[in-house]
Amino acid sequence: EVQLVESGGGLVKPGGSLRLSCAASGFGFSYSGMHWVRQAPGKGLEWVASISSTSSYISYADSLKGRFTISRDNAKNSLYLQMDDLRAEDTALYYCTAPQGGSYYDPFDYWGQGTLVTVSS
Amino acid sequence: EVVLTQSPDTLSLSPGERATLSCRASQSLTNSYLAWYQQKPGQAPRLLIFGVSKRATGIPDRFSGSGSGTDFTLTISRLEPEDFAVYYCQQYGGSGTFGHGTKVDMK
Repeated sequence: EVQLVESGGGLVKPGGSLRLSCAASGFGFSYSGMHWVRQAPGKGLEWVASISSTSSYISYADSLKGRFTISRDNAKNSLYLQMDDLRAEDTALYYCTAPQGGSYYDPFDYWGQGTLVTVSS
Repeated sequence: EVVLTQSPDTLSLSPGERATLSCRASQSLTNSYLAWYQQKPGQAPRLLIFGVSKRATGIPDRFSGSGSGTDFTLTISRLEPEDFAVYYCQQYGGSGTFGHGTKVDMK
């Protein structure tokens, strides 16, 4: 059974940093592209960042470039999102997602339950 | 970056009726990397359709996708009670821009 378990969310002050983690199991993580998607309270889905299996290809939403960094550790079956200079508008539930087909270019079949990030003073 | 515009914002229908949801892209999606997701309250999204018209694993055949270029449609042929939810279109393929969603609620 595929499992994606996010962690690392919490309350942080504006300008602060957080590192989110996603522990993956039940599929070939080291061969799979991975993605982060977020959802502000009561709002729609927003794609955040994507990373290919070997980290050769990385992409970010234009609005986030320079503040967020996606990375992975295939030996630990883990995906990460380093978030710096956090703003109130970054408050959201952050989902880790993966494609069933494994390609960085495939749609997002598997989803975790999300970890909540709240940016507030 | 491609912008996806969904319409309508809300669709009020009864069980058994047909639902037609629209997604328009700001530029042509020549690679057909267009997907649809369903999200219910308190749940993670679920992939319904990918590659414009291919159903994901386990998705009932009352869900169908169509379109090309900049105009795409998700059709639910006969609404079941469990289909009342929010639906998002997405352009994927190395990125993942979403539309703002269409809520299908019960009349």
